[in-house]
Amino acid sequence: DIVLTQSPGTLSLSPGERATLSCRASQSVSSSYLVWYQQKPGQAPRLLIYGASRRATGIPDRFSGSGSGTDFILTINRLEPEDFAVYYCQQYGTSPRYTFGQGTKLEIK
Amino acid sequence: EVQLVESGGGLVLPGGSLRLSCTASGFTFSDYALNWVRQAPGKGLEWLSYIGPGSSSDTYYADSVKGRFTISRDNAKNSLYLQMNSLRDEDTAVYYCARDIADCSGGTCHEIRFDYWGRGTLVTVST
Repeated sequence: DIVLTQSPGTLSLSPGERATLSCRASQSVSSSYLVWYQQKPGQAPRLLIYGASRRATGIPDRFSGSGSGTDFILTINRLEPEDFAVYYCQQYGTSPRYTFGQGTKLEIK
Repeated sequence: EVQLVESGGGLVLPGGSLRLSCTASGFTFSDYALNWVRQAPGKGLEWLSYIGPGSSSDTYYADSVKGRFTISRDNAKNSLYLQMNSLRDEDTAVYYCARDIADCSGGTCHEIRFDYWGRGTLVTVST
């Protein structure tokens, strides 16, 4: 089974700063199958990035994804107040079919 | 507008059963694969089950629910279901349905992602 490990667990930053969130896989993952979601308290997750670097519809360009193999990064430039949330990476595999990372909480400093 | 609405959650005794529903609108339901994902209180997301599009018998399960949970769909009713049996305390969670989408060509699919999610239904397993 592929395990996704996200770091840091919690990231404390101020609005206007840049956030860098990491997702490391225990085995190589195709970039095509690496996805990022945002979840705010009491809400369902929202699709942010798919194919490691493609922004979903309506996602601002301050969100970007990169990486390959076992190391993937979600970068959020110029943090807005609405960006403070929990972020999850996800991969499509064989067994199990999907795996989520444990999440990174982005909080206001 | 694409909408997914879960229902059927509630309080159930350990060992009991519950059937969740997810009613869809705003898209051609039978064209899409669907998933169930849950989130225990204060915890992260856990994928549970997948069902393929159409009248697909293509289903997959996480080890944690295999043999206890059954996913199914009724395309005539635009509905997805999760039959949950032998429920345990650790099954307490918010259960989400999510639409599965991918870019497919030549029999190979890429850029698989969950593009729409419902708001979830809470299942509490407790005495």
